[in-house]
Amino acid sequence: QKEVEQNSGPLSVPEGAIASLNCTYSDRGSQSFFWYRQYSGKSPELIMFIYSNGDKEDGRFTAQLNKASQYVSLLIRDSQPSDSATYLCAVGGGSQGNLIFGKGTKLSVKP
Amino acid sequence: EAGVTQFPSHSVIEKGQTVTLRCDPISGHDNLYWYRRVMGKEIKFLLHFVKESKQDESGMPNNRFLAERTGGTYSTLKVQPAELEDSGVYFCASSHTSGGAGEQFFGPGTRLTVL
Repeated sequence: QKEVEQNSGPLSVPEGAIASLNCTYSDRGSQSFFWYRQYSGKSPELIMFIYSNGDKEDGRFTAQLNKASQYVSLLIRDSQPSDSATYLCAVGGGSQGNLIFGKGTKLSVKP
Repeated sequence: EAGVTQFPSHSVIEKGQTVTLRCDPISGHDNLYWYRRVMGKEIKFLLHFVKESKQDESGMPNNRFLAERTGGTYSTLKVQPAELEDSGVYFCASSHTSGGAGEQFFGPGTRLTVL
């Protein structure tokens, strides 16, 4: 059974700090990796995707992928209270189009 | 550009009744997915359409669930008869990319409560 693991949190960081969110996955053949942000009662919102080993930066967000270690992370620089949400790690299910989600990490950014 | 829309936003039904959920994907997106999140669990895949064809329905829990996408536009997901364990939030997502899991955009979800 393909699995994606995340710490449920809550992860609490002060405003302006770097928030680091981590995710591991079980299927070594996975090719695509996604981070979604979900505010309470809202739909998951795609914020980052990464397909290759290494780092990918977009504004205050950096996604990091290490396929050898089966590890994906999301760094949020200069965290803001508006970043407080649940962050979902999702992995592409091989040749199929479905996503396999972790349970999410709840992030709280304190002013 | 309009996002993925879902209807209804909430549905409360009794065990044994039938409910039909609707999803309208982003215009031009051939790929349409249904997912479900039950309380305390992760979001789980139900099925995937490419246009009007079912590409993968391996996540459908049982034959009480029927999904259709006639004409390759909007999709419906019918639960008949509903059971207590069907309660949860049903999400629809769509993507343009073909082959593998491309960037999927989610709708607001339908919260289904079965009493």
